[in-house]
Formats: sequence, structure tokens, C-alpha cells
Amino acid sequence: NAGVTQTPKFRVLKTGQSMTLLCAQDMNHEYMYWYRQDPGMGLRLIHYSVGEGTTAKGEVPDGYNVSRLKKQNFLLGLESAAPSQTSVYFCASSSQAGGPPGELFFGEGSRLTVL
Amino acid sequence: AQSVTQLGSHVSVSEGALVLLRCNYSSSVPPYLFWYVQYPNQGLQLLLKYTSAATLVKGINGFEAEFKKSETSFHLTKPSAHMSDAAEYFCAVIPSGGSYIPTFGRGTSLIVHP
Repeated sequence: NAGVTQTPKFRVLKTGQSMTLLCAQDMNHEYMYWYRQDPGMGLRLIHYSVGEGTTAKGEVPDGYNVSRLKKQNFLLGLESAAPSQTSVYFCASSSQAGGPPGELFFGEGSRLTVL
Repeated sequence: AQSVTQLGSHVSVSEGALVLLRCNYSSSVPPYLFWYVQYPNQGLQLLLKYTSAATLVKGINGFEAEFKKSETSFHLTKPSAHMSDAAEYFCAVIPSGGSYIPTFGRGTSLIVHP
């Protein structure tokens, strides 16, 4: 069981280039999330989705776009990369089938460097 | 808005010593609370969670946390540190009665000395 898989794991971009990070989960989870992790800042939510075809902004959405065309996939796009977007990006998913909130399952991260 | 504070960005202990990592939340209504651990170059994984059942919650690897409503705290403890416990620890909160979107603290790096 793969869980949450992120691709690519590493990427170097030049300022102004675009790219897409792919997150795939095989647990049939409804909720999916994109976080960025920076030293001393913890995890900050970029965008999230509560189901196929829906997305919503998190704490730091500027400069990013997302799509959830299929339940198992959640894509994070950078249209014009900036050095401030150098970070480690984590995708997570969770099942919220009623009752107390479930735990988040995380991918291994994607390290992005923007020069 | 819900917030969570982790006191101390770094905590250093000797192997075999007590581990105490602090987490406080701001909410008038007790939220759902989680502790996650992140080992180097890996994603986060769940250590334990509080969902309004028992106030003392036991997790994996000998960790436990106690929910104290009067102190709005959910501190993580382990009686005896092991070298393998060295990692980054994150406290997270989800408000009760609504969104399932967690807010994470800034993390505490646990350093274990031999």
C-alpha cells in the first residue's frame, strides 16, 4: 500500500518558470492538503480540497494554484516561480467520514529550489 | 482563529532522561489535538491524538500526552529518551464542530545526547 506519493521529490527552477507537483493517494480519502515547510515556520497550509472537483485557499495561497479533477490526485501548480517559493512541499490526505477528525497521512515531501 | 504554540524551538535531553515537549492552544472550546513526529528527510507521521475521550492519551514509541482544559495545554512526554527519538515534533489542532482543517505549531526539534 503506497499511501501518499509525491512527484517529483526534487526540482530546481529558475525564476519565472512554471511547474506542477503531483500528489496521489490510494486510500480513497476525501480530504487532501498541500503544505509548505520552512525553517522555524512549521507547516503552513497552501490549499486544500474536501472532495473531487473542490478546492479552497489556506493560509498562504498566493502564487499557487491547485486542481482536484480526480479523487486520488491533488496537483499544486506554480505559474511563475519566485525565490520565496523555495521550500519543502508536503501533500497530505485524510478521511473525514463523520465523527472525530482523522489523522493526516503525509507524503515524503518535494524539495523545490528557485534560483 | 485557532492557534497553537509550541514553547521552545529546540529541546535537548540526555539519553534516558524525561522528555517534555510543550503545546498550548487558544480556544474557548476544547479542540481536537494531535502530535506528529518528523524524522529527517521524511514526512510527518501521527504519534497520538486527543478526540475528547480519555484526557491521558498514549501513543507510539512510549510517548503520551495529557489534555488539560484549565491550562489549554497538551504537552507530550516520554519517561526515558532514546537516541532514536531525535526528530522534529509538531503539535496540531482542529477546531471542534466544523472544519477538519488542522493548524500546526512551529515545531520543536528534540536533540538526544548520549
